[in-house]
Amino acid sequence: DVQMTQSPSSLSASVGDRVTITCRASQSISSHLNWYQQKSEKAPKLLIYAASILQSGVPSRFSGSGSGTDFTLTISSLQPEDFATYYCQQSFSTLLTFGGGTKVEIK
Amino acid sequence: EVQLVESGGGLVQPGGSLRLSCAASGFTFSNYWMSWVRQAPGTGLEWVANIKQDGSGKYYVDSVKGRFTISRDNAKNSLYLQMNSLRAEDTAVYYCTRPSWYLGVGYFNYWGQGTLVTVSS
Repeated sequence: DVQMTQSPSSLSASVGDRVTITCRASQSISSHLNWYQQKSEKAPKLLIYAASILQSGVPSRFSGSGSGTDFTLTISSLQPEDFATYYCQQSFSTLLTFGGGTKVEIK
Repeated sequence: EVQLVESGGGLVQPGGSLRLSCAASGFTFSNYWMSWVRQAPGTGLEWVANIKQDGSGKYYVDSVKGRFTISRDNAKNSLYLQMNSLRAEDTAVYYCTRPSWYLGVGYFNYWGQGTLVTVSS
């Protein structure tokens, strides 16, 4: 199985900060990497798919990069509504896996 | 508008069984893989199972193999998860999800609201 390791597991940041979350796969997954945002254990919301493609309707302050084993989600200027938990997910293998999550909290 | 509505969750004793359902609408159900994803209280997301469009391929996370069965009824636009030999660690909100595809990359852009399964005596 492909293991996904996210870091950090939590972070504190202020409104306006640039925030970077990383996700590492246990083997190469090409660009088969997606990012989700989840608030208060509601259903996750897709932010980025195929490593770098912004889902329709998602603000442009969100961006994704990477390929192979190392990936990054960047929020260029953190907004109050961005405080949430973020998950990466690989779809390279039929046996899908999520990262452990990164909780973004208010500093 | 794509809609996924789960039902069937509830309280069940360890060793018991439960069948979850997901009613799909707003798209041609038979054209899509479907999946179940769960989230135990206070923890992260865990993919549970996938099923191909015609039900010919089914895939499971190791922790549920032999206990859970994913199935679908394309005539009823419905997805199911039969859960047997339930354990306390199966306690979670279970989400029905539908993937979309971009150049071979699958991603979940549609999710149901989730149904809570609690395994406890």
